[in-house]
Amino acid sequence: DTEVTQTPKHLVMGMTNKKSLKCEQHMGHRAMYWYKQKAKKPPELMFVYSYEKLSINESVPSRFSPECPNSSLLNLHLHALQPEDSALYLCASSQEPAVAGANVLTFGAGSRLTVL
Amino acid sequence: TQLLEQSPQFLSIQEGENLTVYCNSSSVFSSLQWYRQEPGEGPVLLVTVVTGGEVKKLKRLTFQFGDARKDSSLHITAAQPGDTGLYLCAGGGSYNTDKLIFGTGTRLQVFP
Repeated sequence: DTEVTQTPKHLVMGMTNKKSLKCEQHMGHRAMYWYKQKAKKPPELMFVYSYEKLSINESVPSRFSPECPNSSLLNLHLHALQPEDSALYLCASSQEPAVAGANVLTFGAGSRLTVL
Repeated sequence: TQLLEQSPQFLSIQEGENLTVYCNSSSVFSSLQWYRQEPGEGPVLLVTVVTGGEVKKLKRLTFQFGDARKDSSLHITAAQPGDTGLYLCAGGGSYNTDKLIFGTGTRLQVFP
């Protein structure tokens, strides 16, 4: 299995809702990532988990709350979001430690979030 | 802050033409990768380069990592409509290889 699976593919939520994005991989990768991608822009790093521990938080607002229940799963809990948070949220995973100094990411297809 | 600037931002060409995309930074990177992203999908890895001056060829695609490991280029020979997509370079952090930073992106459209 060489895939990263993200659910849901599309999510529409109001500013007072609580929802979660889910990500799963079965490649034995021990690093998992959340990226945010706005239309016509490159992906921006949000969080990195390494061996199920949060290793990087790129100063993301607390209305985004990541969780890594085990080495195969990564969640992103969403609460009190703003319309400007509407974007494609990409999950990725990689081997840890990086092979030959190069951190190669396998991405999911993303969850497209719309905040009304 | 490590930044990667890509040029051009947009490229619209006819099938059969050649093109080069550039990825530049003032920072040194431990590795440089190129990804291609199609609409509604996540980025897919094309190549990884880790050694300054390294050149890799993948069929019609040629990738080069600058000697100082601050820049890279992607050259496509005889472009095809299937090459259409968003091309992203991505640099591995010098201090933290988990921190992969993406370039500003080049949107390529190849017309038949």
